[in-house]
Amino acid sequence: DVKVTQSSRYLVKRTGEKVFLECVQDMDHENMFWYRQDPGLGLRLIYFSYDVKMKEKGDIPEGYSVSREKKERFSLILESASTNQTSMYLCASSTPGRFAYGYTFGSGTRLTVV
Amino acid sequence: GQQLNQSPQSMFIQEGEDVSMNCTSSSIFNTWLWYKQDPGEGPVLLIALYKAGELTSNGRLTAQFGITRKDSFLNISASIPSDVGIYFCAGQRHNNDMRFGAGTRLTVKP
Repeated sequence: DVKVTQSSRYLVKRTGEKVFLECVQDMDHENMFWYRQDPGLGLRLIYFSYDVKMKEKGDIPEGYSVSREKKERFSLILESASTNQTSMYLCASSTPGRFAYGYTFGSGTRLTVV
Repeated sequence: GQQLNQSPQSMFIQEGEDVSMNCTSSSIFNTWLWYKQDPGEGPVLLIALYKAGELTSNGRLTAQFGITRKDSFLNISASIPSDVGIYFCAGQRHNNDMRFGAGTRLTVKP
């Protein structure tokens, strides 16, 4: 069964900490994405990557950075965690093509910053 | 930013009832997709629509790609308790530009 795996389901971090959220996919997908999900706001794109060592800003990149050193792994980094970054974080991957086959999502990481 | 208007925000229905939700946009999309998110999980793709006017079914689910390419709807017939969750519409213009609605939270009372 193909998968997108996020390393942690729940995380609690302190304000100011550097936080790493890891995502691994086993589908050999070129594209990977990081979203945050907040009630009433849906899914908002933070960063995405089309290829190894490549990254593009999404709609809300401030306070975040990403790393893609290997095709299967896409990491989201909170440089200095703040309470307004408390949220559900979703990683997704997809393969490029003429038609959209949709994204495959991980189960999410619920991050609480205290 | 978010460009899709999804409604309703939430629905409370009785088991066995039909459900309808929709998504509109000021922009044209080439593909419309509907996802469902179970509690504590990531969204899972339910239906993908590729052509304006297309009507597609997946079991008790039916979705349509609006003629104007600016809207889509999802119907669920004869709801059951496991239909509970958050339903997201998504529109895609090109390969890597997918926009999501804010979601419709569905509650089904037995």
